[in-house]
Amino acid sequence: GAVVSQHPSRVICKSGTSVKIECRSLDFQATTMFWYRQFPKKSLMLMATSNEGSKATYEQGVEKDKFLINHASLTLSTLTVTSAHPEDSSFYICSASHDLIAADTQYFGPGTRLTVL
Amino acid sequence: QKEVEQNSGPLSVPEGAIASLNCTYSDRGSQSFFWYRQYSGKSPELIMFIYSNGDKEDGRFTAQLNKASQYVSLLIRDSQPSDSATYLCAVIGRSGYSTLTFGKGTMLLVSP
Repeated sequence: GAVVSQHPSRVICKSGTSVKIECRSLDFQATTMFWYRQFPKKSLMLMATSNEGSKATYEQGVEKDKFLINHASLTLSTLTVTSAHPEDSSFYICSASHDLIAADTQYFGPGTRLTVL
Repeated sequence: QKEVEQNSGPLSVPEGAIASLNCTYSDRGSQSFFWYRQYSGKSPELIMFIYSNGDKEDGRFTAQLNKASQYVSLLIRDSQPSDSATYLCAVIGRSGYSTLTFGKGTMLLVSP
């Protein structure tokens, strides 16, 4: 149980284009979804937290107009990296939690590796 | 500023030995504590969570929490080469807002 998927697993795009990453909770309804970014040999950095039907809460230093997050349903959240640049190349990982499943526990998706040329 | 500190390692242990991973945190009011395992190039995988002082055992893994000393540890018994990975300690603070603060992780190497 508590399976989270992400799509795509890997994407290469040109500088200036936008990329959409999907995060789905497959066997539970996610009250909250989180988006992280991880650079090589660094720890996970939380980018934003989203609750279904609400605007995402962004961490300090994360541009909300560049990283658009939509959490339209209890099983789907999307992260769109707009006008991507090479410095946006990173490993993007989502996680999901539900109040009724071991409250506070986050289950992670497999991640999306973004390379911006 | 909430901080979670871990020794980056690598921690090297022989196969069959006990691996001990430690983590300290700065927010004294922290409520929830998690250990994740991350293989290179992969996303974190939940190993255990612990909320109360003391020990919590799950198979070969034992999490230990000492809130007075603000540390949490993970013991891995009968370590296997497949346990070689980076182990991330994560903490949720007192605010009740369920955001995890991660440590930088400890790399564990189990040699055959």
